[in-house]
Amino acid sequence: AQKVTQAQTEISVVEKEDVTLDCVYETRDTTYYLFWYKQPPSGELVFLIRRNSFDEQNEISGRYSWNFQKSTSSFNFTITASQVVDSAVYFCALSEAGAGNMLTFGGGTRLMVKP
Amino acid sequence: EAQVTQNPRYLITVTGKKLTVTCSQNMNHEYMSWYRQDPGLGLRQIYYSMNVEVTDKGDVPEGYKVSRKEKRNFPLILESPSPNQTSLYFCASSLAGASSYEQYFGPGTRLTVT
Repeated sequence: AQKVTQAQTEISVVEKEDVTLDCVYETRDTTYYLFWYKQPPSGELVFLIRRNSFDEQNEISGRYSWNFQKSTSSFNFTITASQVVDSAVYFCALSEAGAGNMLTFGGGTRLMVKP
Repeated sequence: EAQVTQNPRYLITVTGKKLTVTCSQNMNHEYMSWYRQDPGLGLRQIYYSMNVEVTDKGDVPEGYKVSRKEKRNFPLILESPSPNQTSLYFCASSLAGASSYEQYFGPGTRLTVT
């Protein structure tokens, strides 16, 4: 069974600090997909990134970067020079190719960026 | 504008009174899904649908029903709501299965069952 753990329930940083959100997953499948979604205070869910299990290259998008390590079953998300607008709940999610299209989310990490 | 819409956005009801939350997407997506969000538990999948007339259970299907008679609509039905179904519900759609494509989420429906 697939499982996603986000051990950090809440993180508080001061603006311009770098912050890393951890995501650890469990799967028996060799083909799977990992996602990050952002939920700002307004409540909507915003897609950030999708990564398949065969692509371990790190990805950078502006101030956001993702580190995928199959050896530790982790898909961590780093925000560089955080801003108040980054305050949100961030969810990591996993979908196994053979799991009938189910998507499993972690419990989420609430990030608070203070000015 | 490409979007997923849900109605109602807020609903307060009493135990046992049947209700339906509608979900509609205008992107011609094949895959649609329902989730509930509870504090500390993240989002849990209730039901999903790969296409018209094709639905399947997610992690927490008990107490819910769905139907997919048209590609654009995927209503969530609570035949006899109970207080433990008080939650924030999200509908989502994607071009194809959950594995392959990112999902687009509706704005959410906050349901309170008293």
